[in-house]
Amino acid sequence: EAQVTQNPRYLITVTGKKLTVTCSQNMNHEYMSWYRQDPGLGLRQIYYSMNVEVTDKGDVPEGYKVSRKEKRNFPLILESPSPNQTSLYFCASTPGDRNYEQYFGPGTRLTVT
Amino acid sequence: AQSVTQLDSQVPVFEEAPVELRCNYSSSVSVYLFWYVQYPNQGLQLLLKYLSGSTLVKGINGFEAEFNKSQTSFHLRKPSVHISDTAEYFCAVSVTDKLIFGTGTRLQVFP
Repeated sequence: EAQVTQNPRYLITVTGKKLTVTCSQNMNHEYMSWYRQDPGLGLRQIYYSMNVEVTDKGDVPEGYKVSRKEKRNFPLILESPSPNQTSLYFCASTPGDRNYEQYFGPGTRLTVT
Repeated sequence: AQSVTQLDSQVPVFEEAPVELRCNYSSSVSVYLFWYVQYPNQGLQLLLKYLSGSTLVKGINGFEAEFNKSQTSFHLRKPSVHISDTAEYFCAVSVTDKLIFGTGTRLQVFP
């Protein structure tokens, strides 16, 4: 089944404790993104990657890192999480062939206390 | 820069009534337009998209949307809603591979 998977689905952590949220797609898509969803703000792009070893900042990159060492994986790293990073996070991928349809993972709900 | 405005944060409606969720965008170049739906505790699922061609686009679950270039709008409609349509709906615009989302409209269908 074609899909985007994220782990973990739920995470509660404390301020300053480094964490990684994994994202993997099995559709051989070139383009991958991370979004955060907050009430009243919709989805905002954090980082995106157009291919392996190519990443760039989205609209709200502060406090986040990403890497793209393999085509299928695009982990989101929070080196020192803070309470304002409490949010619902989505990973998405798209073929990159001007299709523009993005396929979303199920989401990761992160709480930073 | 592109932006998307969803004027209604919440739309309450009774079952079997028609509904319209409004979306306006701003862009100085041609755009591609999308509607996504998010059911409770789930990710986003594509409802429909406009890339080119006919301005009336039909999607899944009986939804349709009309692209109006002069009014820069892409309103979503359904002639008769069901309880199961209760969800949050997001309009989005894309110029390249980046999607810019509106703030969402929560559709609440009552029996």
